[in-house]
Amino acid sequence: EAGVTQSPTHLIKTRGQQATLRCSPISGHTSVYWYQQALGLGLQFLLWYDEGEERNRGNFPPRFSGRQFPNYSSELNVNALELEDSALYLCASSLFGRQIPDTQYFGPGTRLTVL
Amino acid sequence: AQKITQTQPGMFVQEKEAVTLDCTYDTSDQSYGLFWYKQPSSGEMIFLIYQGSYDEQNATEGRYSLNFQKARKSANLVISASQLGDSAMYFCAIQSGGTSYGKLTFGQGTILTVHP
Repeated sequence: EAGVTQSPTHLIKTRGQQATLRCSPISGHTSVYWYQQALGLGLQFLLWYDEGEERNRGNFPPRFSGRQFPNYSSELNVNALELEDSALYLCASSLFGRQIPDTQYFGPGTRLTVL
Repeated sequence: AQKITQTQPGMFVQEKEAVTLDCTYDTSDQSYGLFWYKQPSSGEMIFLIYQGSYDEQNATEGRYSLNFQKARKSANLVISASQLGDSAMYFCAIQSGGTSYGKLTFGQGTILTVHP
C-alpha cells in the first residue's frame, strides 16, 4: 500500500513569489494535515482538511492557504514568500480525522528554499 | 492548550542496549493521544507507537514500548536492543480536542545516537 506522497521534493523560489505544494494521502484516508518544520522552530501545525473542508488552522498568516480536492489530495499555497518561509513542509493523512486521537502518517516532505 | 516537553536534547546508547527517551505533557482534556515519531536525516516522520489516555496497558510495538504514567503526565519511549539504524531524531507528540482539535503538538525532539 502506498504511503503519503508529496511533490515536489525540493522547491526553490525567490522572495515575493508564490509556492504550491501537493500531497496525496494514503488510500482511504480523508483527513490531510500540513506542518512546517523550520530550523530552530520545531514542527508547527499549519492546516487540517477533512472531507474537503478546513477544520483547523495554526498560527500562520493568511498568505498560507490550501484546499482539499474531491479525491482527498491537498494543495498548500504560500503567497508573497518571505525568507523565513524556508522550511521542510510535511503533509500527513489519517483515517478518521474527527475521532480523537487518530494516528497521522507523514509523507517525505517538500523542502522549500526562499532566496 | 497542550504542550510537550522533551528535556533530553541528545542521548547516546551502545548497540544492543536499551534506552529511554523522556516525554512529559500538559493538557486539560480528558481524551487525548500520545505519539512517538522517528525522523531520520532524510526528513520523513515515521510513526512508531501510540498511547490513548484511556488505555490501561502500556503500548508496545516490537522493540518500542511506551511507559505511560498518567498521574505524572509522562509518556517515555523505551527502545530495547538498540540498532545502528535507530540513530535519528525522536519526537513526542500529543493530540487532543478543543481548540487543538486534530492537530499534533510536538516536543523539541531528542537526537539519539547509537554507537557500535
